Amino acid sequence: AQRVTQPEKLLSVFKGAPVELKCNYSYSGSPELFWYVQYSRQRLQLLLRHISRESIKGFTADLNKGETSFHLKKPFAQEEDSAMYYCTPMGDMRFGAGTRLTVKP
Amino acid sequence: DADVTQTPRNRITKTGKRIMLECSQTKGHDRMYWYRQDPGLGLQLIYYSFDVKDINKGEISDGYSVSRQAQAKFSLSLESAIPNQTALYFCATSGRTGDQPQHFGDGTRLSIL
Repeated sequence: AQRVTQPEKLLSVFKGAPVELKCNYSYSGSPELFWYVQYSRQRLQLLLRHISRESIKGFTADLNKGETSFHLKKPFAQEEDSAMYYCTPMGDMRFGAGTRLTVKP
Repeated sequence: DADVTQTPRNRITKTGKRIMLECSQTKGHDRMYWYRQDPGLGLQLIYYSFDVKDINKGEISDGYSVSRQAQAKFSLSLESAIPNQTALYFCATSGRTGDQPQHFGDGTRLSIL
């Protein structure tokens, strides 16, 4: 079965520092992956999908087939990036525990 | 994005009561989902429906039931609420094909005393 793992439930960085939210997957082939974000007291929303190769709000995510990872990165974190982040494969309706990012001033 | 609407937004009720949470969507999506969110546990899938005649249990369906009244409406019921069902509940929709992202409602905060 397609599985992804976000090894960190909590991640804290200072404003202006780089941030990387980890997402590892455990299946072969060329997975399609999504990152969703949930800001405080808001609904989940799609942040980006890897096939689009977009940079949304300064975040990027590259599929690394060698490491079977799809880490979400931002070079300079902002306080407004504090949120819950979920990595999930396309077609899988499960989200798991996610990672709570806190960006401290 | 008000295309996925959940009612009520907040509800406080007592143990043993029957509760219904409603979800309606104007996106024309075939697929609809119910999740609960608990601190530290993330999102857990309760039930999902790929069309009006297709209902499936998710990861944590015990104590819950659903009804897909129409393509646009998907209700979640707690037949006899218990305190550990206190959580934030989300409805979501997605298109017919599995490559589409989900679109979420604003959630229903449910407290069972």
